[in-house]
Amino acid sequence: AQSVTQLGSHVSVSEGALVLLRCNYSSSVPPYLFWYVQYPNQGLQLLLKYTSAATLVKGINGFEAEFKKSETSFHLTKPSAHMSDAAEYFCAVSPPNSGYSTLTFGKGTMLLVSP
Amino acid sequence: NAGVMQNPRHLVRRRGQEARLRCSPMKGHSHVYWYRQLPEEGLKFMVYLQKENIIDESGMPKERFSAEFPKEGPSILRIQQVVRGDSAAYFCASSGGGETEAFFGQGTRLTVV
Repeated sequence: AQSVTQLGSHVSVSEGALVLLRCNYSSSVPPYLFWYVQYPNQGLQLLLKYTSAATLVKGINGFEAEFKKSETSFHLTKPSAHMSDAAEYFCAVSPPNSGYSTLTFGKGTMLLVSP
Repeated sequence: NAGVMQNPRHLVRRRGQEARLRCSPMKGHSHVYWYRQLPEEGLKFMVYLQKENIIDESGMPKERFSAEFPKEGPSILRIQQVVRGDSAAYFCASSGGGETEAFFGQGTRLTVV
């Protein structure tokens, strides 16, 4: 069974500050890993994904994440936060080679951005 | 180019009634996934369907819940005799299968009163 742990249900940053959202996974084999963003009353939008290619993955809106096998982590970062980044972020895992079926999601981290 | 369409966006049902949630996948997509998001929780996988077939229903509650994806028309998630614990946001995603990206709809927020 796979699982995802997102540390911190809420993260607050100032506009222009570094964004760091943490995600650790549990899996017997390196899985596929994803970060999604959810704006209020909206569906989930894919930010980026890791599928066993480059360990540093760049996504949309200036976000990136690094897969670290030794730490079983896939933390999401952005050098400079914008007000528009305020949303809930979900890390997700799926079995390798299974694509997007049966994603397992973390509980989410709400990112708050202050002026 | 419409995305994944879910309706209704909001649904209120009294305990014991039936809830029917609809999902129209993106054009050209034949794979549909349903997820449930309970308050303060992440999304939980419920069921994976292709046209006229249930591929994986390992996340579906054993009773009262069913899903279908007919040859024509949207996918339907049906909840019979709803209870307060069914109150949640239900999201549908669709893909072209394999490792093609899955796109999520805006969800249906079910409230059971």
